Amino acid sequence: KAGVTQTPRYLIKTRGQQVTLSCSPISGHRSVSWYQQTPGQGLQFLFEYFSETQRNKGNFPGRFSGRQFSNSRSEMNVSTLELGDSALYLCASSLGGLAGVQETQYFGPGTRLLVL
Amino acid sequence: TQLLEQSPQFLSIQEGENLTVYCNSSSVFSSLQWYRQEPGEGPVLLVTVVTGGEVKKLKRLTFQFGDARKDSSLHITAAQPGDTGLYLCAWRGGNRLAFGKGNQVVVIP
Repeated sequence: KAGVTQTPRYLIKTRGQQVTLSCSPISGHRSVSWYQQTPGQGLQFLFEYFSETQRNKGNFPGRFSGRQFSNSRSEMNVSTLELGDSALYLCASSLGGLAGVQETQYFGPGTRLLVL
Repeated sequence: TQLLEQSPQFLSIQEGENLTVYCNSSSVFSSLQWYRQEPGEGPVLLVTVVTGGEVKKLKRLTFQFGDARKDSSLHITAAQPGDTGLYLCAWRGGNRLAFGKGNQVVVIP
């Protein structure tokens, strides 16, 4: 079974631009979560999508948004990029059962974004 | 303020040595998870500890959950270069994970 895939793997943008990152979950998984990883703050939860609806949201500004398609693939968008948005963006997928049921999340390799 | 504090942040040891890293909090958790992240990859779940005082072994890795369920430790016996990586502890709230900043472990051949 193929793992979680993320595209692109590397990206360079300049301040003020916007960026869209893509995540394809493991086949059959309906939940996709996004995380930001930086040396200073570590891994932080951005949001989770399940059945095309945002189910959970972390403490990030509105410049960070996402969506999920009917095939469970997900995209996240960052508008008006700032230098501090440079990070590794990871997505994770899980089956997405009942809320509160502990399921293993499987992470993709991430997209490394550099903002100049 | 980080919910989970991991120490030490960085640890470099020779192959064959033992090491222990820690994950501490002032909060009580129903469970804690440990992940390992290698360069260029996402974190991979190693273990979930649920019961206070629980000890779980994964080959040369031993995970312990504190009696009060506020802390956890990871002990590696006879470390190998393949154990090099960032070890992350995490708490699961619903379907979101809250991570510590990690223990970067480097095992020198």
